[in-house]
Amino acid sequence: LAKTTQPISMDSYEGQEVNITCSHNNIATNDYITWYQQFPSQGPRFIIQGYKTKVTNEVASLFIPADRKSSTLSLPRVSLSDTAVYYCLVGDSNSGYALNFGKGTSLLVTP
Amino acid sequence: EADIYQTPRYLVIGTGKKITLECSQTMGHDKMYWYQQDPGMELHLIHYSYGVNSTEKGDLSSESTVSRIRTEHFPLTLESARPSHTSQYLCASSERLGTEAFFGQGTRLTVV
Repeated sequence: LAKTTQPISMDSYEGQEVNITCSHNNIATNDYITWYQQFPSQGPRFIIQGYKTKVTNEVASLFIPADRKSSTLSLPRVSLSDTAVYYCLVGDSNSGYALNFGKGTSLLVTP
Repeated sequence: EADIYQTPRYLVIGTGKKITLECSQTMGHDKMYWYQQDPGMELHLIHYSYGVNSTEKGDLSSESTVSRIRTEHFPLTLESARPSHTSQYLCASSERLGTEAFFGQGTRLTVV
């Protein structure tokens, strides 16, 4: 079962690009990589999901190298409202571990 | 916006009381989940369901129980609340295990 490792916390200034990397050395062939965002006192919110190479949506980009042993969530030009906890999850549609969130990365954006 | 609802949002209750936290979704999702999270701490999966009449325990041992009699409804029950049950409880649903999960607003439970 894939297990993820990500930094406990990160700091950034407004307007900067933030890259959060997640390691998942034991990722299985059928596993997808999914990122969620959680604000205090709210439930997590889906940000992006990918399998390989690069995925981009209106919120973020997800970069996945060829070996898929890591992934990087990229948030362009962050604002104060991007201060949140970001979770990296790995799993497939048959795996209960697809929704184990772990500790996540606490991102603090300051002026 | 996700159509998943939790009630109540906040609950303060005395020790020994029986409580049921409600969770309903209108998306027709088969998979539903309950998580427990203390402020600033990790999100722990305590129960999940593959569909009607299916319930499984998650990674974190919990004294709560769940039922899934209807697709849209996944209530969580504590037979005898204790102060150690004080926490936020989050309900979620997804079409499949690995697909996007939608979360409710949560129930913040305080047992005094």
